[in-house]
Amino acid sequence: GQNIDQPTEMTATEGAIVQINCTYQTSGFNGLFWYQQHAGEAPTFLSYNVLDGLEEKGRFSSFLSRSKGYSYLLLKELQMKDSASYLCAVRPRDSGYALNFGKGTSLLVTP
Amino acid sequence: DSGVTQTPKHLITATGQRVTLRCSPRSGDLSVYWYQQSLDQGLQFLIQYYNGEERAKGNILERFSAQQFPDLHSELNLSSLELGDSALYFCASSVQSGMSYNEQFFGPGTRLTVL
Repeated sequence: GQNIDQPTEMTATEGAIVQINCTYQTSGFNGLFWYQQHAGEAPTFLSYNVLDGLEEKGRFSSFLSRSKGYSYLLLKELQMKDSASYLCAVRPRDSGYALNFGKGTSLLVTP
Repeated sequence: DSGVTQTPKHLITATGQRVTLRCSPRSGDLSVYWYQQSLDQGLQFLIQYYNGEERAKGNILERFSAQQFPDLHSELNLSSLELGDSALYFCASSVQSGMSYNEQFFGPGTRLTVL
């Protein structure tokens, strides 16, 4: 089974850096995804990690440690439009590529 | 716009009724996934179809069923509806070419309200 934990809410200031953590327990692992979801809208893909290390993509970076069952999403130079929910999702092995999502972290960016 | 379309956008119905949600995947995508999102449970995987066949099953109730048609569009049928079925239902699609990356693209969702 899966158990994915992330903080429920975070607040950060415009222009700052914020790190959103995700821990997971899984019986088989085949990749970890981060999605962004604005209220009432569809989730949109941010990043994918399958090997240990850091993946950088513009203002967003994602890190994975498989041995620790740990990932984080790093958002730099925060903008007001980054206020959204950030969903950590694990793809189990033999899942047919389906994703198991955490409950999401609601990020509020303040001026 | 992800290229995934879902209809209807909103649906209001009564307990005990049956509804059908429809999804058209992105052009070229063979795989369709259905997810349910409620405030307390988050985004939960229901079921996946690949090229017309069921590929994976998640937390889907027996009252719910789905299928994927030859033109690759998919329908999710929800029957004997209960108040607790009120949620946002998302469809996602992916190529599923065997590459591990296999990003899923989500449609805009159908908001179901059961009264």
